[in-house]
Amino acid sequence: DAGVIQSPRHEVTEMGQEVTLRCKPISGHNSLFWYRQTMMRGLELLIYFNNNVPIDDSGMPEDRFSAKMPNASFSTLKIQPSEPRDSAVYFCASSLQGARNIQYFGAGTRLSVL
Amino acid sequence: AQSVTQPDIHITVSEGASLELRCNYSYGATPYLFWYVQSPGQGLQLLLKYFSGDTLVQGIKGFEAEFKRSQSSFNLRKPSVHWSDAAEYFCAVGEGGNNRKLIWGLGTSLAVNP
Repeated sequence: DAGVIQSPRHEVTEMGQEVTLRCKPISGHNSLFWYRQTMMRGLELLIYFNNNVPIDDSGMPEDRFSAKMPNASFSTLKIQPSEPRDSAVYFCASSLQGARNIQYFGAGTRLSVL
Repeated sequence: AQSVTQPDIHITVSEGASLELRCNYSYGATPYLFWYVQSPGQGLQLLLKYFSGDTLVQGIKGFEAEFKRSQSSFNLRKPSVHWSDAAEYFCAVGEGGNNRKLIWGLGTSLAVNP
């Protein structure tokens, strides 16, 4: 199995630009999670989907952030417009219903907003 | 509300020494408990998990953890640390059932002296 695949691995952009992060979950998994990791705040859950439906987006910082899951094999996290404080590592994870919450993580996208 | 506390932000041990990383949780029922490891520049990898039954669980890379209900703890141990164990370690708790979220500790950074 290829695991959770995230792209790009690194993204450098300028303030005000739109940023789109991508995630392909493990085939057959039906829950998907987006996290943000910073030194100051640690690992924060932004949003999670179950069967492609957003279940909890309470962690999404503000309206500049949006996430979609158009099908079971693809999700995006978009930031528009980006700000320097959005600089962080963004992780995607997936899990299988009935697998007792075990989450499998991608390698992450390191975002730098200048 | 559920919470996870990792009291030690940073620990340094010598190679070959034993290791114990502490994790305390707050949760009413018996939770699902996890330890994940994050090597530099990588995503999080599952080390071990506890769902029920035997309170001493074995994981990958020679790690083990013990669930102590009376102390609300799930401490991670390794009898002899290798230099390659230097990483960030995260404890997490999950409710199970329809709630797929995990509650995360802030992590413990492990450094290993040669």
